[in-house]
Amino acid sequence: SQQGEEDPQALSIQEGENATMNCSYKTSINNLQWYRQNSGRGLVHLILIRSNEREKHSGRLRVTLDTSKKSSSLLITASRAADTASYFCATALNFNKFYFGSGTKLNVKP
Amino acid sequence: GAGVSQSPSNKVTEKGKDVELRCDPISGHTALYWYRQSLGQGLEFLIYFQGNSAPDKSGLPSDRFSAERTGGSVSTLTIQRTQQEDSAVYLCASSLGQLLAKNIQYFGAGTRLSVL
Repeated sequence: SQQGEEDPQALSIQEGENATMNCSYKTSINNLQWYRQNSGRGLVHLILIRSNEREKHSGRLRVTLDTSKKSSSLLITASRAADTASYFCATALNFNKFYFGSGTKLNVKP
Repeated sequence: GAGVSQSPSNKVTEKGKDVELRCDPISGHTALYWYRQSLGQGLEFLIYFQGNSAPDKSGLPSDRFSAERTGGSVSTLTIQRTQQEDSAVYLCASSLGQLLAKNIQYFGAGTRLSVL
């Protein structure tokens, strides 16, 4: 299976701290995306990184991609209580089929 | 509409009944996806529609599941003879298309299906 797997499964931190989540996958990809899901809601796209990119920033988010290790990391800096959610990586071999991992549940304590 | 709309938001049904779940994608989005999410789990790909092309049905778990997309817009996911293991949240997403820059998916809030 190409499914991405996030690590850790759960993460609890204090507001202001940084949160790092990792994603590993098994086969070659075209791009990798990170999504956030608040409880009981749909997923919201955060950031997309192409297979030929190594790092990407968006606000307080930093994503890295290491295709040789088939892994990616999502760093959220200066976390806020509103960042509490589940975070999923999605890998795409082509443009029409995505594989989502089981997610990292982040809890940011105020 | 402003976003992807799914209905109903909740559906409770008895084992053996058929159910229909509806997805109204963002206007102008040519790609539409259905996923299933069991409690505390990731998303399981079910089916993908792109324009007028034949859908990618490779993720449908059994022949009790089917989906159609009429007029390239609204989609309906049908589950026949529902089983308890079908209980999950069914999520729909749409995107502008296949080009990488247009490949970001926009999700609806989902339909929570409970089969008793």
